[in-house]
Amino acid sequence: DSGVTQTPKHLITATGQRVTLRCSPRSGDLSVYWYQQSLDQGLQFLIQYYNGEERAKGNILERFSAQQFPDLHSELNLSSLELGDSALYFCASSVGTQGGGETQYFGPGTRLLVL
Amino acid sequence: AQKVTQAQTEISVVEKEDVTLDCVYETRDTTYYLFWYKQPPSGELVFLIRRNSFDEQNEISGRYSWNFQKSTSSFNFTITASQVVDSAVYFCALSEEVGNQFYFGTGTSLTVIP
Repeated sequence: DSGVTQTPKHLITATGQRVTLRCSPRSGDLSVYWYQQSLDQGLQFLIQYYNGEERAKGNILERFSAQQFPDLHSELNLSSLELGDSALYFCASSVGTQGGGETQYFGPGTRLLVL
Repeated sequence: AQKVTQAQTEISVVEKEDVTLDCVYETRDTTYYLFWYKQPPSGELVFLIRRNSFDEQNEISGRYSWNFQKSTSSFNFTITASQVVDSAVYFCALSEEVGNQFYFGTGTSLTVIP
């Protein structure tokens, strides 16, 4: 158990809908990362937050947004869902204070299926 | 261009055989970090090892060992005396000097046959 929690574990929804994925980092970790794992794209970095502020952005679609709250949990919002958004979404966390190359600890993931 | 290449898509070995998973990376940074993660059938990503670019010492942890060679930009992972529980997808990842985002390889699916 990495100490990172994600809810829900599974999500089934329809095209055009909006969903919210939730992540709680390990105790003491200030940085949260979101990744998407799909069969065609592999594991792709989406976005990073550090202590409530956006720190880095990767291949995140404009239809997707995220935030990190004062209690350090994070939410990833996916809107106008398309079939191609079906994937496993991971949240990871790291201490956030050591500069580059911090070990990231991953949550169990949320499996999203868009029908 | 892919920053991390795992050329082996799938590998099958018989239990107790040794197996090496290859990872080749590409970066212009002099300071960078390399990682291996394991993704068992249950789906979670499990951290195995972290290496920084200044530490080329090979590492052994039980049946696992890692060979880091800057000259060939490789960070290979060997499992000795493989077991069925080693069956998983293994990912190599790179983190560069600035920022913490990971660049993952496409993964190698290892099947250990009893």
